[in-house]
Amino acid sequence: AQSVTQPDIHITVSEGASLELRCNYSYGATPYLFWYVQSPGQGLQLLLKYFSGDTLVQGIKGFEAEFKRSQSSFNLRKPSVHWSDAAEYFCAVGASGANNLFFGTGTRLTVIP
Amino acid sequence: NAGVTQTPKFRILKIGQSMTLQCTQDMNHNYMYWYRQDPGMGLKLIYYSVGAGITDKGEVPNGYNVSRSTTEDFPLRLELAAPSQTSVYFCASNSGIRGAEAFFGQGTRLTVV
Repeated sequence: AQSVTQPDIHITVSEGASLELRCNYSYGATPYLFWYVQSPGQGLQLLLKYFSGDTLVQGIKGFEAEFKRSQSSFNLRKPSVHWSDAAEYFCAVGASGANNLFFGTGTRLTVIP
Repeated sequence: NAGVTQTPKFRILKIGQSMTLQCTQDMNHNYMYWYRQDPGMGLKLIYYSVGAGITDKGEVPNGYNVSRSTTEDFPLRLELAAPSQTSVYFCASNSGIRGAEAFFGQGTRLTVV
């Protein structure tokens, strides 16, 4: 069965510092992996996605993520965090079939000046 | 670009009342979904639909009903509201192509008192 684990419930970083949000997945076949961001009171917006090919994918707002099959991970990174990045971040794995997105429990990011 | 539109944005219900959460999309997507989001729990799938006239249960369907009479609309019905249904509800859609991203509405915050 598919599952996604985001081990960090809450992360606090200083503005300008680097960021890495962890995501581990469980899926029997080649996964389709996504990172979504949710700003307060808003819906979810896609940051980036991985289907195949280059394991380092670039997304919007300066984010990138690296797919590591050997570690079943898809960690999200940003070299320099801005105050506007404060939000909740969700990792998701796409499976075949209609019920095709499984979400992690999310990581809340706080950015301090 | 409207995308996925949910109404209402906020609602307070009394225990035992019923209501319908509306969701409409203008992207001609076949696949539509209803999720609920509870703090620290990520998003849980309630119901989904792969096209007009076809619906199926997700992970947490109890207490809810859906219908899909058109491609655009996917309303979620709550009968006999209970405090356990206090949550934020998100509607989403995608094309159904394997690995396609989901587009989300802005959510409905429901409180049952």
